[in-house]
Amino acid sequence: GIQVEQSPPDLILQEGANSTLRCNFSDSVNNLQWFHQNPWGQLINLFYIPSGTKQNGRLSATTVATERYSLLYISSSQTTDSGVYFCAVEPLRGSTLGRLYFGRGTQLTVWP
Amino acid sequence: EAGVAQSPRYKIIEKRQSVAFWCNPISGHATLYWYQQILGQGPKLLIQFQNNGVVDDSQLPKDRFSAERLKGVDSTLKIQPAKLEDSAVYLCASSLAASGNTIYFGEGSWLTVV
Repeated sequence: GIQVEQSPPDLILQEGANSTLRCNFSDSVNNLQWFHQNPWGQLINLFYIPSGTKQNGRLSATTVATERYSLLYISSSQTTDSGVYFCAVEPLRGSTLGRLYFGRGTQLTVWP
Repeated sequence: EAGVAQSPRYKIIEKRQSVAFWCNPISGHATLYWYQQILGQGPKLLIQFQNNGVVDDSQLPKDRFSAERLKGVDSTLKIQPAKLEDSAVYLCASSLAASGNTIYFGEGSWLTVV
């Protein structure tokens, strides 16, 4: 199946700092989503972004489908940004339509 | 708009006992998913429904796990008998259609098998 690799695995920041999280995938995709998993375990949608660039407040994401990677930018980080960030992809072929494959996540800790 | 609802949120059972989880997807969403997330890993698909039909259950341990989605709305996931390695968060998700749509997750059901 498709491989999804996220980096870095862990990131520790001081409040106010900026960060970039990366997601590499091994094949063409029909869907790519970024999620934030809060301490209570819920996966919160951040972006649906199979290609292009989107922004939502302090967060933005870019997917370069032809080069098989996506980046999540967090600016002016806050303690509430702490948690695990997951990238998940739906392969364009060779898999059930709609099935998401997840990376192992990036654990972000923001200190006050 | 109401999100994906799951219950119970937390469950502790002894090995070899049974447990059932319930999910109510977002209204109008035809596709429903159950994912299993073991601590420190990303979620893994167990089963995918399109309306009330199973689309993908290739990673469901069918000797102990079962799931149904009667009437194409609510779904239940059952584990019987539970093993220690079934300790995980069980996440239900839904989307309007199977492909190329945003997938929304519920809060999850935490299972501890002792």
